[in-house]
Amino acid sequence: NAGVIQTPRHKVTGKGQEATLWCEPISGHSAVFWYRQTIVQGLEFLTYFRNQAPIDDSGMPKERFSAQMPNQSHSTLKIQSTQPQDSAVYLCASSLTGRAETLYFGSGTRLTVL
Amino acid sequence: QQKVQQSPESLIVPEGGMASLNCTSSDRNVDYFWWYRQHSGKSPKMLMSIFSNGEKEEGRFTVHLNKASLHTSLHIRDSQPSDSALYLCAAPNDTNAYKVIFGKGTHLHVLP
Repeated sequence: NAGVIQTPRHKVTGKGQEATLWCEPISGHSAVFWYRQTIVQGLEFLTYFRNQAPIDDSGMPKERFSAQMPNQSHSTLKIQSTQPQDSAVYLCASSLTGRAETLYFGSGTRLTVL
Repeated sequence: QQKVQQSPESLIVPEGGMASLNCTSSDRNVDYFWWYRQHSGKSPKMLMSIFSNGEKEEGRFTVHLNKASLHTSLHIRDSQPSDSALYLCAAPNDTNAYKVIFGKGTHLHVLP
């Protein structure tokens, strides 16, 4: 089992450009989570899916962030018009069913907005 | 808004010493916690979970839970330099148990 796979590992964008981050959850896991980690804010919840359906996106900055899960093997997080404050490590995690279970994190994508 | 608060922010212990980390939830409905460990440059990995009041021990690691005070603590005995990492406490969201909220973590440094 390869674990949760995130690509790319690093992404550098200019201010105002778009960034798309990819996540492949562990096979058989039905819950997929997106978090953002910075030194100041720590690990912040963004959104999660269960059985590919979006369940809670309360942590997402609504105007520029969007997430999708078109099939059970991958999810994407898209950031439009990136801003320097979007610079962070974006972590994807999956769990078997999502409730009261261990989260398995990917290696993350480090986004740097210049 | 529910918060998970950890203390101290940073902790330095000598090799072989005991490290004690604390965590509380602001929500009275939360009654279980996880502890995750994140080594520098790596992703968080679940270390221990605790769902029942009392104590749970796994090797050098012991977790306590006091549901009445919404408090959990992690104790590492005979600390090793390899234990140096960011320790994150996590709890389910009060209104949506599928959503997991993390504290900002305790940076543990074990000095050889």
